[in-house]
Amino acid sequence: AQTVTQSQPEMSVQEAETVTLSCTYDTSESDYYLFWYKQPPSRQMILVIRQEAYKQQNATENRFSVNFQKAAKSFSLKISDSQLGDAAMYFCAYRSPAYSGAGSYQLTFGKGTKLSVIP
Amino acid sequence: NAGVTQTPKFQVLKTGQSMTLQCAQDMNHEYMSWYRQDPGMGLRLIHYSVGAGITDQGEVPNGYNVSRSTTEDFPLRLLSAAPSQTSVYFCASSYGNGELFFGEGSRLTVL
Repeated sequence: AQTVTQSQPEMSVQEAETVTLSCTYDTSESDYYLFWYKQPPSRQMILVIRQEAYKQQNATENRFSVNFQKAAKSFSLKISDSQLGDAAMYFCAYRSPAYSGAGSYQLTFGKGTKLSVIP
Repeated sequence: NAGVTQTPKFQVLKTGQSMTLQCAQDMNHEYMSWYRQDPGMGLRLIHYSVGAGITDQGEVPNGYNVSRSTTEDFPLRLLSAAPSQTSVYFCASSYGNGELFFGEGSRLTVL
């Protein structure tokens, strides 16, 4: 079974600065998907970014980018120019590819990192 | 543009009562699932379904029941609520290799 570890329960960043959230995972599969979800106080789960393991290029979405190190099984999220609206819980998640069977649709989540943004 | 709709958003139950959390999606997704979120535990999978008539257990299925009679609906039933089931519940749906789309969550308190 896959496991996802977020080693930083809480982090803080000054507004306009850059912060990196860590995520490591354990898997024996070579093909998979990784996600970062944001959960603001509204409780809604919002997809921030996704990465396909077969792609060597790191995914980027505006101020959000990842550092995907497949050999190290590491998937960190970098938030640049932090804004007050970035304050939230951030969850890293792993998913197997669809062709690996019914269970592949499941996401395995880390326990989350609570990010505070200091004005 | 509804996406995934969960009801109710809040519910208080007494120990031993039963209830159903409703979930509906309008995106024709084949996969639907229920997660529970507890402080410091992340999200844990309760049950999932890969299509109408097909369901299976996740990581924490005890005390919960599901069925999938249509593509759109995937209700979660608590047959005899216990305080340990106090949590926030999320329904989610997905297609192929896509990401999960989540409902807004339902906060359940069992006294």
